[in-house]
Amino acid sequence: EAGVAQSPRYKIIEKRQSVAFWCNPISGHATLYWYQQILGQGPKLLIQFQNNGVVDDSQLPKDRFSAERLKGVDSTLKIQPAKLEDSAVYLCASSLARGGAKTPMQYFGPGTRLTVL
Amino acid sequence: SQQGEEDPQALSIQEGENATMNCSYKTSINNLQWYRQNSGRGLVHLILIRSNEREKHSGRLRVTLDTSKKSSSLLITASRAADTASYFCAHNYGQNFVFGPGTRLSVLP
Repeated sequence: EAGVAQSPRYKIIEKRQSVAFWCNPISGHATLYWYQQILGQGPKLLIQFQNNGVVDDSQLPKDRFSAERLKGVDSTLKIQPAKLEDSAVYLCASSLARGGAKTPMQYFGPGTRLTVL
Repeated sequence: SQQGEEDPQALSIQEGENATMNCSYKTSINNLQWYRQNSGRGLVHLILIRSNEREKHSGRLRVTLDTSKKSSSLLITASRAADTASYFCAHNYGQNFVFGPGTRLSVLP
């Protein structure tokens, strides 16, 4: 079974530039998550999709971050414009079912390490 | 913030010793999960314990859950150098997961 794929693995940009990350979840997984992990901290959920609909984006800085999951499969996360504090690893995860009482196991991709100069 | 805490922040032990990591959380939960993250990699699920369970085993891993104290512990027995990683607990809050800040474990050969 192929795992969660993410690209690029590394990205270096200057502040105020734009950047986009791509995620391909495990085939058949309805739920997709984007996390931000700052060095030395645990992952913080940015947005959760169920198929192509947004379940929760309460912690997504919507003035600069956007995400979409067209056709309920692949997803892209965009930052425009980037700030220094956006330097982090952006992790994508997928799971078979929705969260809640039966919060399922999540499968994580390798992440994209973003450095904003 | 609903983020819990983990302690210790860092732990260094010799190969063959046991390692214990603790996690606390603030809300009621349905289940709690432990994940491992090797340097530069994504997270890997280790074990899930439900709120009505008190202890669970998986190979060299033993997880306990005390819902009255809102805490959990992860014990790794007979540690190996390959166990060197960061370990995170995650609990569900509403629809979502909340991860703790993690414990960085170093197992010295």
